Parts: sequence; C-alpha cells; structure tokens
Amino acid sequence: NAGVTQTPKFRVLKTGQSMTLLCAQDMNHEYMYWYRQDPGMGLRLIHYSVGEGTTAKGEVPDGYNVSRLKKQNFLLGLESAAPSQTSVYFCASSYSPQGNTEAFFGQGTRLTVV
Amino acid sequence: KQEVTQIPAALSVPEGENLVLNCSFTDSAIYNLQWFRQDPGKGLTSLLLIQSSQREQTSGRLNASLDKSSGRSTLYIAASQPGDSATYLCAVGWGGSYIPTFGRGTSLIVHP
Repeated sequence: NAGVTQTPKFRVLKTGQSMTLLCAQDMNHEYMYWYRQDPGMGLRLIHYSVGEGTTAKGEVPDGYNVSRLKKQNFLLGLESAAPSQTSVYFCASSYSPQGNTEAFFGQGTRLTVV
Repeated sequence: KQEVTQIPAALSVPEGENLVLNCSFTDSAIYNLQWFRQDPGKGLTSLLLIQSSQREQTSGRLNASLDKSSGRSTLYIAASQPGDSATYLCAVGWGGSYIPTFGRGTSLIVHP
C-alpha cells in the first residue's frame, strides 16, 4: 500500500519557469490537499479538493493552480515561479467513503527557485 | 479566524522522562484532532487521531487527550527515548470541512 506519493522529490527552477507537482493516493480518499512548509511559518494550506473535479482556495493560493481530473490524483502547478515559492510542498489526503477522516501525507517536494 | 497554537516551541529533556506537549485551538466546534511526527527532511507521520466524540487515544507510549470545552489537547509521551526526537505537530479539523489546520509544532530533543 503506497499511501500518498509525490513526484518529484526535489526540483530547482529558474525564476519564470513553470512546473507541475503530482500527488497520487491509493486509499480512495475524497479529500486532497496541498500545503507548503516554511521555517517559522508552519504548514499553510494552498489549495484543496473535496472530490473529483472540484478544487478550492486555501490560505495562500496566489501563484498556484490545481486540478483534480481523477479522484486519485491532485496536481499543483506553478505557472511562473518566483523565489518566494521556494519551499517544501506536501500533499495529503483524507476522508474515506467509510467515514475515516485520518489524514495521510506524502514525503514532500523540496523546491528551490533561483 | 480558527487558530492552533502549540506550546512549547522547543523542548529538550533527558532520556527516560515523561513529558507533555500542548495544543490549543480557538474554536471548540472541532470534528477531529490529529497528532503527527515529523523527522528532519521527512514527511508527516500520523501518530494519533481523536474524533470529537472521544476524550483520548493511546498507542504504545503515546497518549493523546482532548478537552473541547477548554480548547486543548495534550500528547503524553512516557519514558522518552532518543528516538523520540522529532517535531510534533497538532492538526485540527473543524466541523464539516475535515481540512487539517496546523500548529507550528514542538521540536523535541531527547538526549541520552
């Protein structure tokens, strides 16, 4: 059971470049989330999804877009990367159809924008 | 705004001590509360999940309690070991949303 898998694990971007982070879960969870973690700031919610085909903004959505075309996948896009987006990005999922709300996290993507 | 606060931010204890980590939240209408462990450079590992209808959960040397009326949860670690050294994060899900809102964590060092 893989749980939550994030791709890639590391990436260095130049300012203005674009990229997509992929999150995949195999637990049939309804909810998926993208967070960023910065020193001294804790984990902050970027975007989330409550089901296939739905997305919503979190606390810090600017500069990011998301899509959830399939229930098991949640994509985070950076259209024009900025140094302020240097961070560690975590994907998570929760809420099984049986009502279990425990959240599970991926191992993170360390992104550096130069 | 719903907020989660963890005190202390950092803690250093000798091996063998029993210790308590604190988590407080501003809105008592929570759905659940989850404790995580994060090792340096790693992801978050779920330790314990407490539903709003529960008062505590136990797993091995860990015990988490929940008091909704006072807006507090505690994580009790018995007989601490150097391998317990990590950052411990508390996340609260408020009614209906299930979206975990995190505290900033307590960084724990257990020295031999």
